[in-house]
Amino acid sequence: DAGITQSPRHKVTETGTPVTLRCHQTENHRYMYWYRQDPGHGLRLIHYSYGVKDTDKGEVSDGYSVSRSKTEDFLLTLESATSSQTSVYFCAISEFGQAVEYNEQFFGPGTRLTVL
Amino acid sequence: SQKIEQNSEALNIQEGKTATLTCNYTNYSPAYLQWYRQDPGRGPVFLLLIRENEKEKRKERLKVTFDTTLKQSLFHITASQPADSATYLCALPVSSGSARQLTFGSGTQLTVLP
Repeated sequence: DAGITQSPRHKVTETGTPVTLRCHQTENHRYMYWYRQDPGHGLRLIHYSYGVKDTDKGEVSDGYSVSRSKTEDFLLTLESATSSQTSVYFCAISEFGQAVEYNEQFFGPGTRLTVL
Repeated sequence: SQKIEQNSEALNIQEGKTATLTCNYTNYSPAYLQWYRQDPGRGPVFLLLIRENEKEKRKERLKVTFDTTLKQSLFHITASQPADSATYLCALPVSSGSARQLTFGSGTQLTVLP
């Protein structure tokens, strides 16, 4: 998976609890992304980062926050988990460059989160 | 922002036949379009990228076409094999000013029957 790990791989939690998912890369890619994947919706972008401490919102950012203090780590936090956030979460990375080929995204193995 | 529609039905074909998957998009014409493969329980894997000025791109048994007039891309797998069974996703830039953000279709589940 192109030097991308996600932790934990599986998590079951209760409504109202905070949850943090971690994405770690060894590729030194500038861009990092968090997606969620749900049946019928495909992959939807939550937040992304274009550098250390530089982040922006995606399509479904409500209820999520992110942080990137190092190039290799991108954290996704659910401040107070809800059942609607039950999903599979994928991290992805891409390289920096002007050519569109640099927009190829490499995905991690995913984290399956269940909020009861 | 961009909206994408892929074959909503799962696609079943016989081994050896050509599978054709469709990706239709609305709104603006993107600078490029990508196709990914996703196996159950795994993250998507990049397959091909085609630029707006390219009509066709090939990679081994894969062929992608891009028709900006029809706002459509077709993804072909020739001489299909059971190992090609997976979900295939197309992806486009979210908007003309956000080339780094992709929007994905919900995918087409392909099953190649032996």
